[in-house]
Amino acid sequence: SQKIEQNSEALNIQEGKTATLTCNYTNYSPAYLQWYRQDPGRGPVFLLLIRENEKEKRKERLKVTFDTTLKQSLFHITASQPADSATYLCALTRQGGKLIFGQGTELSVKP
Amino acid sequence: DGGITQSPKYLFRKEGQNVTLSCEQNLNHDAMYWYRQDPGQGLRLIYYSQIVNDFQKGDIAEGYSVSREKKESFPLTVTSAQKNPTAFYLCASGDSPYVNQPQHFGDGTRLSIL
Repeated sequence: SQKIEQNSEALNIQEGKTATLTCNYTNYSPAYLQWYRQDPGRGPVFLLLIRENEKEKRKERLKVTFDTTLKQSLFHITASQPADSATYLCALTRQGGKLIFGQGTELSVKP
Repeated sequence: DGGITQSPKYLFRKEGQNVTLSCEQNLNHDAMYWYRQDPGQGLRLIYYSQIVNDFQKGDIAEGYSVSREKKESFPLTVTSAQKNPTAFYLCASGDSPYVNQPQHFGDGTRLSIL
């Protein structure tokens, strides 16, 4: 069955450093991959979408890569800030607009 | 402001009781989705609807039911057949049921058992 894995351990980094989160998947070849941010007690908020034929996508301090050979996506936040602290979810697209979500990685940025 | 409204924010269920979670959107989106989120797990799809008066089961539909009588509304009923209903329930909508569209989420309903 389709499976998607994110770093289960929380990621703690110092303000100003680059945070890198990993998303690995198996038994599937998605056309698109999406990243969301979720704050405690809130719903996820869409951040970025990348297509299978795009190697990299950027939005302000965010960068996403998509390696269909490795079946992996990396999500980078440069010049991280305490306000970036949240749980980040990756999601693979399925037919009919459905998504398969990873379990999320909690990021904590210390001042 | 356009968005998705879920209510109530907290809900308690007694044994043998059915409860209904509300989800309303004013984004004029065709597609709507219900997910369940448990600690340490990803969101799991319960039901989804791509158009009014039509809906399909997701990955964990047993013990749940939905209706889609209006474009803006997609209520979820947690029936007494759902033996482990304690979870955070999230409703989402999408501009179309195609794979290249992001989903917009409400702020969830947390359901607990009394």
